Amino acid sequence: DTGVSQDPRHKITKRGQNVTFRCDPISEHNRLYWYRQTLGQGPEFLTYFQNEAQLEKSRLLSDRFSAERPKGSFSTLEIQRTEQGDSAMYLCASSTNYGGRRVYEQYFGPGTRLTVT
Amino acid sequence: DQQVKQNSPSLSVQEGRISILNCDYTNSMFDYFLWYKKYPAEGPTFLISISSIKDKNEDGRFTVFLNKSAKHLSLHIVPSQPGDSAVYFCAASPHGGGSNYKLTFGKGTLLTVNP
Repeated sequence: DTGVSQDPRHKITKRGQNVTFRCDPISEHNRLYWYRQTLGQGPEFLTYFQNEAQLEKSRLLSDRFSAERPKGSFSTLEIQRTEQGDSAMYLCASSTNYGGRRVYEQYFGPGTRLTVT
Repeated sequence: DQQVKQNSPSLSVQEGRISILNCDYTNSMFDYFLWYKKYPAEGPTFLISISSIKDKNEDGRFTVFLNKSAKHLSLHIVPSQPGDSAVYFCAASPHGGGSNYKLTFGKGTLLTVNP
């Protein structure tokens, strides 16, 4: 399997601007997760897709955040009107129960480091 | 409140010795436990997992032990190598259904293996 990829790896933006991140999961992984990690903390769950359906959103995901997975393959995470508190590492992970795999074992991408100035 | 706790922010061991990383949890609904390794500026790398029906799982140099009654798990690395130096995260997931297997992470333990 090729791993989970994320683009861009780094993004610097000014407060108030919109940003969009992309995640390509491992091929044929039907479950896709977004997490956010800030300094000194572990990753925190943001949202979950099963195929193209967004089935769960954390209360951390304010109205300024939106995520999509239009064809059940890649996913995008958009942040509108960015704030300095949005500065973090945004991580994407995927998993599957196909082929006898353990569905709870999530594989992470390299992350997108967002800096809001 | 923190449902997954890694109380040691850092650990230093000598190359060749055993590294033991600890993790405690409070949520009785957690059924699956995982350890991830993370280098700076990279995403977490999956290492090993254990289901709550087991008390031990081994994969090469890595062994995870689970004590359900104490709500405690540990990761043993033996022998430790300098390349093992990284931040280690403990994570937990409830059984499926409405939980969607989302992971709850601890804050991590920085392991340094000295040559």
